[in-house]
Amino acid sequence: GIQVEQSPPDLILQEGANSTLRCNFSDSVNNLQWFHQNPWGQLINLFYIPSGTKQNGRLSATTVATERYSLLYISSSQTTDSGVYFCAVGKPANAGGTSYGKLTFGQGTILTVHP
Amino acid sequence: EPEVTQTPSHQVTQMGQEVILRCVPISNHLYFYWYRQILGQKVEFLVSFYNNEISEKSEIFDDQFSVERPDGSNFTLKIRSTKLEDSAMYFCASSEAPTSTDTQYFGPGTRLTVL
Repeated sequence: GIQVEQSPPDLILQEGANSTLRCNFSDSVNNLQWFHQNPWGQLINLFYIPSGTKQNGRLSATTVATERYSLLYISSSQTTDSGVYFCAVGKPANAGGTSYGKLTFGQGTILTVHP
Repeated sequence: EPEVTQTPSHQVTQMGQEVILRCVPISNHLYFYWYRQILGQKVEFLVSFYNNEISEKSEIFDDQFSVERPDGSNFTLKIRSTKLEDSAMYFCASSEAPTSTDTQYFGPGTRLTVL
């Protein structure tokens, strides 16, 4: 199956710093989502970004599908940004009809922002 | 904004007991999923469901697991005889479109503890 690797595994920042999280994937995809898992375990949708660039406030993401990677940028980090960031990808459905929306997750990046 | 809901938020059960985890997907969505996350690990796909049947399942989803859409709004995951290793956070997700081309929206999760 498709492999998803995220880096770095851990990241510690001071409040106000910027950061870049990376997601590499091993095959072509037509779905890529970034999630933030908060301390209560909830998965919060950040971006649906199978290609291109999107921005939402202090967060932005870029996916270069042809080179099989995606980047999540966090600017002016705040303590509430702490948590685990997951990248998840979905492959195109094949002729047999499988891979019907299944997402494969990376191991996540644990972000800690200190005040 | 519409959201996926899950009940209960936390379930404690004895090994060997049956549990049913409940989900209410977003109302106009047609594709439904269950994922699980063992503590400290990545999120893993269990099963996808469309048009009242399973469209894909992982090797984790063995005969002890079943899914059902009993009444047109709820989507349930049943574990017939729980094991210690079933302890995990279980997430329900839904999407409007198929074939990995649409955002999957995740519920807040049910934390299952098997004693």
